Amino acid sequence: KAGVTQTPRYLIKTRGQQVTLSCSPISGHRSVSWYQQTPGQGLQFLFEYFSETQRNKGNFPGRFSGRQFSNSRSEMNVSTLELGDSALYLCASSFDGRAGANVLTFGAGSRLTVL
Amino acid sequence: AQSVTQLGSHVSVSEGALVLLRCNYSSSVPPYLFWYVQYPNQGLQLLLKYTSAATLVKGINGFEAEFKKSETSFHLTKPSAHMSDAAEYFCAVSEPGGYQKVTFGTGTKLQVIP
Repeated sequence: KAGVTQTPRYLIKTRGQQVTLSCSPISGHRSVSWYQQTPGQGLQFLFEYFSETQRNKGNFPGRFSGRQFSNSRSEMNVSTLELGDSALYLCASSFDGRAGANVLTFGAGSRLTVL
Repeated sequence: AQSVTQLGSHVSVSEGALVLLRCNYSSSVPPYLFWYVQYPNQGLQLLLKYTSAATLVKGINGFEAEFKKSETSFHLTKPSAHMSDAAEYFCAVSEPGGYQKVTFGTGTKLQVIP
């Protein structure tokens, strides 16, 4: 079956702009998590969605937001981009998101560069 | 709160030598522990996981890890390194009873020298 698909794979924006990233989970997976990966910080948890509801949220400013649709596809949005938002944004899906009961399957990521 | 510490951001080993990547965790309850691998320009792939069954966990590609509660450690090992093992490795923890909030370490880049 198809894996986790993230689009776009690469994008370049300028400061102040906004960006929307998309994630299509594995068919049948209803939980989608988002992570920000940077060289210095590693993977930082952004948020997790299940059945169109945000169940967990990391320590990121309100400029970072997300949503999940009825087909489990998810989007995340970053408004008023800053240079520090340059990162690889990873999406991961799992069946129902119960800790430990199912593992995360990651997409290849969306690499955002903010100039 | 859960956390993970990976000792050594870069580790170099010779081909055929033992691979040892260190991970220590902090958790208020017995945790679930994971090792993931990331190859260049790819997402993370699960190597193995510990979910309170056997303390020695075998994963893919010949890797294994041992859960040691007394040391709060979950080190990753492989007896003989192969060139294809060169990648970045992430240790991760999540606490049972809740929903998916997996906390990752900062990663260890493994270099394999021919």
